[in-house]
Amino acid sequence: DAKTTQPNSMESNEEEPVHLPCNHSTISGTDYIHWYRQLPSQGPEYVIHGLTSNVNNRMASLAIAEDRKSSTLILHRATLRDAAVYYCILRDVQGGSEKLVFGKGTKLTVNP
Amino acid sequence: DTGVSQNPRHKITKRGQNVTFRCDPISEHNRLYWYRQTLGQGPEFLTYFQNEAQLEKSRLLSDRFSAERPKGSFSTLEIQRTEQGDSAMYLCASRQANQPQHFGDGTRLSIL
Repeated sequence: DAKTTQPNSMESNEEEPVHLPCNHSTISGTDYIHWYRQLPSQGPEYVIHGLTSNVNNRMASLAIAEDRKSSTLILHRATLRDAAVYYCILRDVQGGSEKLVFGKGTKLTVNP
Repeated sequence: DTGVSQNPRHKITKRGQNVTFRCDPISEHNRLYWYRQTLGQGPEFLTYFQNEAQLEKSRLLSDRFSAERPKGSFSTLEIQRTEQGDSAMYLCASRQANQPQHFGDGTRLSIL
């Protein structure tokens, strides 16, 4: 399974942008980059995913480096409800496996 | 879309007892997944169903674990002769083709 590296924790202030980095230097051409987050006492929640181009949705933006060896999840204005563990996951859609391989993720703290 | 439902939310049992958890996926989602999450770690994949067929199993799924999905709707995960190390959150997820996985809020198992 392709591996990702994320900082253990990050801190932000409410209403400020947050940039959550993820390194995936061994990414293959068919790996999609997925982001999930997990709020306390809840199951993981899908945030966004992409392959090569930057992606935007109502929750966040995903910026993917040109060489695809890193990506950044951008929360444009952090709220207290964004405090969660954020997981960056690679999924090979042609690899035949359906599983998501979670690391330890980045624990985001949002200060009021 | 009522979300993935898991029951019970909490289960406390004595070591050596058998336990069974239930997962009701989002209706019309033909793919269903089970994961296990221990404290401070990301979820770990256990098994995957497409309709009623169990197509992928992790080596974490020992002989004491069995999962079923009769009729391709709800699924059950049974653990026989529970051990202390089985204490964890058991998460279920479902999805349609070309869509992300949607997770339930899990069943927390505590072994006394």
